[in-house]
Amino acid sequence: KAGVTQTPRYLIKTRGQQVTLSCSPISGHRSVSWYQQTPGQGLQFLFEYFSETQRNKGNFPGRFSGRQFSNSRSEMNVSTLELGDSALYLCASSPGDSRANYGYTFGSGTRLTVV
Amino acid sequence: GNSVTQMEGPVTLSEEAFLTINCTYTATGYPSLFWYVQYPGEGLQLLLKATKADDKGSNKGFEATYRKETTSFHLEKGSVQVSDSAVYFCALANAGGTSYGKLTFGQGTILTVHP
Repeated sequence: KAGVTQTPRYLIKTRGQQVTLSCSPISGHRSVSWYQQTPGQGLQFLFEYFSETQRNKGNFPGRFSGRQFSNSRSEMNVSTLELGDSALYLCASSPGDSRANYGYTFGSGTRLTVV
Repeated sequence: GNSVTQMEGPVTLSEEAFLTINCTYTATGYPSLFWYVQYPGEGLQLLLKATKADDKGSNKGFEATYRKETTSFHLEKGSVQVSDSAVYFCALANAGGTSYGKLTFGQGTILTVHP
């Protein structure tokens, strides 16, 4: 059973540009969550998508957006990049029902560096 | 809101030493509790979980017991190995509603094990 696949693994972008990251969940999983990991702020929740709908959102500015496709693959977009957006972006896959006990399976992440 | 507090790190041990990493939480309702591990350059791997009070999660020699009375979920291992060197995260999740897809993480504890 394939795991969670995130592409690309590494990205270098310039301030002001925009970037799109991709996440393919485990087959059969309908929920994808995104997290930002930085040394200063730790792991912070960005948003969660289920069946192409955003069900939950963290406290990030509107420059951070996402979407989910009918095959459950998800993308997140960051517009007008700032130096502070440099981070490891992780996505997590889960079945997506209302239980909280299944745990979430994470991808290896995309390391974004903004210069 | 929910919060997770882990013991200050880093933790440095000799091989075969006993490990404890403390974790306490604040949450509404009856959250599920998790320990994740992150190796250098990788995403998060689920180490163990517990979904109700007094449950004990265990995996690869690691154990943690869900203590509702002390709101704790301390991670223990009787004899650590060099290969256990990693960052360990305690996390919680609530079911449904505004908690969809959202794990709340502690700040992480860096463990280094020397031969």
